[in-house]
Amino acid sequence: KQEVTQIPAALSVPEGENLVLNCSFTDSAIYNLQWFRQDPGKGLTSLLLIQSSQREQTSGRLNASLDKSSGRSTLYIAASQPGDSATYLCAPRGNTGKLIFGQGTTLQVKP
Amino acid sequence: DTGVSQDPRHKITKRGQNVTFRCDPISEHNRLYWYRQTLGQGPEFLTYFQNEAQLEKSRLLSDRFSAERPKGSFSTLEIQRTEQGDSAMYLCASSLVGQPSTDTQYFGPGTRLTVL
Repeated sequence: KQEVTQIPAALSVPEGENLVLNCSFTDSAIYNLQWFRQDPGKGLTSLLLIQSSQREQTSGRLNASLDKSSGRSTLYIAASQPGDSATYLCAPRGNTGKLIFGQGTTLQVKP
Repeated sequence: DTGVSQDPRHKITKRGQNVTFRCDPISEHNRLYWYRQTLGQGPEFLTYFQNEAQLEKSRLLSDRFSAERPKGSFSTLEIQRTEQGDSAMYLCASSLVGQPSTDTQYFGPGTRLTVL
């Protein structure tokens, strides 16, 4: 059974810092992995998707890496801004299609 | 591309009542997923459809829950005899599988259910 852990659970940083969010998963037989952002009381916004054959994916100030064999993914956010404040969720997808989510990392970026 | 829409956005009901939620996926997306999220937790998978076929159901989906996607377009999720433990955000997502799609799942805004 796939289990996903995200560390840290919460993070508070001053504006402008670069930061790394960590995600680990127990079953390395994944099809892909998505990173999402969730604002309070809202739905999920897809940030990046990494295929199992890829090592990295970049979008703007965001860079996600995947090490499938060790069951780890990281989300790197460059030059953080107050608008980045949200909960970040990682979700590996297995062969059946469903996503398995961690509990998320709640990020606060202070002006 | 108008995104995934869900209706209603909020639902308050009394214990024991039946409720039905609707999800309209991104047009031409062949997969549709339902997830449930409680406060402070990540979403949990409930069920998914490919076209009109329901391919997988979670053990979380008790016999009080039923989902349909009759024509392979919109989907409904019905909860019968609601219980206070059903209070949660119900999220719908859709994706397109098949080349050259990456199978990215796009989520709707959710339906927040409160059972009194």
